Amino acid sequence: AQRVTQPEKLLSVFKGAPVELKCNYSYSGSPELFWYVQYSRQRLQLLLRHISRESIKGFTADLNKGETSFHLKKPFAQEEDSAMYYCALKLSAGSARQLTFGSGTQLTVLP
Amino acid sequence: GAGVSQSPSNKVTEKGKDVELRCDPISGHTALYWYRQSLGQGLEFLIYFQGNSAPDKSGLPSDRFSAERTGGSVSTLTIQRTQQEDSAVYLCASSFGPSVFFGPGTRLTVL
Repeated sequence: AQRVTQPEKLLSVFKGAPVELKCNYSYSGSPELFWYVQYSRQRLQLLLRHISRESIKGFTADLNKGETSFHLKKPFAQEEDSAMYYCALKLSAGSARQLTFGSGTQLTVLP
Repeated sequence: GAGVSQSPSNKVTEKGKDVELRCDPISGHTALYWYRQSLGQGLEFLIYFQGNSAPDKSGLPSDRFSAERTGGSVSTLTIQRTQQEDSAVYLCASSFGPSVFFGPGTRLTVL
């Protein structure tokens, strides 16, 4: 079965410092990978998808199939980036089309 | 509507009672998901509906949990004989394509 691992429950960085939120997955096929974010008192929302190869709010994530990783990075963290971040995997084929989430990383950006 | 809506936003119940949680997906979205969000546990998949296909119930934790989706739109998650470990935020999401949109959740507290 597919699995998503986010090894850090909590991560704190200072404003302006680089930040990397780690995500590893286990799946033998070619999954679709996502990062979701939940700001305080807001609903969970999509941040970015690996297929789009986009940069959202300065964040990027590159799929590394060799290391089965999809780490989220931002070169200069801002205080408004403080939130809960979830990495998620979706199978690209088969009947199980639900998103499988990691346990999340709470990012705090300190002033 | 503007997005996925859920009701009630908060539900407090006594152990052993049954509860019903409602989800109104975005109009036209064929896929509907239920997840459970517990502190420190991330998002746990419960059930997935896609169009007229049989739902994927593989994530339901016990036979006390059931869900239905009427007319391909509104969904109800029912928990019978609630237990204290059922306390969590129950999230509904819908999609039509790769992006999944989440509702605000129902916070269930079982006393």
